[in-house]
Amino acid sequence: DTEVTQTPKHLVMGMTNKKSLKCEQHMGHRAMYWYKQKAKKPPELMFVYSYEKLSINESVPSRFSPECPNSSLLNLHLHALQPEDSALYLCASSQAPGGGRSSYNEQFFGPGTRLTVL
Amino acid sequence: DAKTTQPPSMDCAEGRAANLPCNHSTISGNEYVYWYRQIHSQGPQYIIHGLKNNETNEMASLIITEDRKSSTLILPHATLRDTAVYYCIVRVDYTGTASKLTFGTGTRLQVTL
Repeated sequence: DTEVTQTPKHLVMGMTNKKSLKCEQHMGHRAMYWYKQKAKKPPELMFVYSYEKLSINESVPSRFSPECPNSSLLNLHLHALQPEDSALYLCASSQAPGGGRSSYNEQFFGPGTRLTVL
Repeated sequence: DAKTTQPPSMDCAEGRAANLPCNHSTISGNEYVYWYRQIHSQGPQYIIHGLKNNETNEMASLIITEDRKSSTLILPHATLRDTAVYYCIVRVDYTGTASKLTFGTGTRLQVTL
């Protein structure tokens, strides 16, 4: 199984809502990532989890709250979002957390959740 | 983080080789060059990566210049299904934690009949 799944595929929420995005992989990967992609722009890294611990936070606003309950699951909790947060949210996972002499650290991406904030 | 520069768009006739260039003049000696592509509204897909030597796999070839300041992705026989945005990325490793992919603006490749 070389698939990263994300739910839901589409999400529409109001600025006062609380919602969560979910990501799952069963490849035994120990690093998981959240990216944000605005229309016609490249993906931008938001968070990285390594061995279920947050290792990189790219200065993301606190209205985005990541959670990694176990090595297969990654959540992104959303609260009090703004319309400009509307984007495609991508999850990815990789085999090794990086570092050392590893030359192979392919990130497998899910199909994304398209989020619209009204 | 090392920055990459790519042409915004390119066209290629089906069946021909597509050569996509990338400049990464600030790359460090231990940073890898990765290529991903993204077909409309899908997640990015890994293509190939390299450090110093040229690399080839079932999808593409990667040619890295000797000074490592630029590289070229080659799709030997482009098909319509290769129409996508191609990203050249320099991967940064953080020892003991995780790696970071910083996507550039990418090249939109249009394969035509």
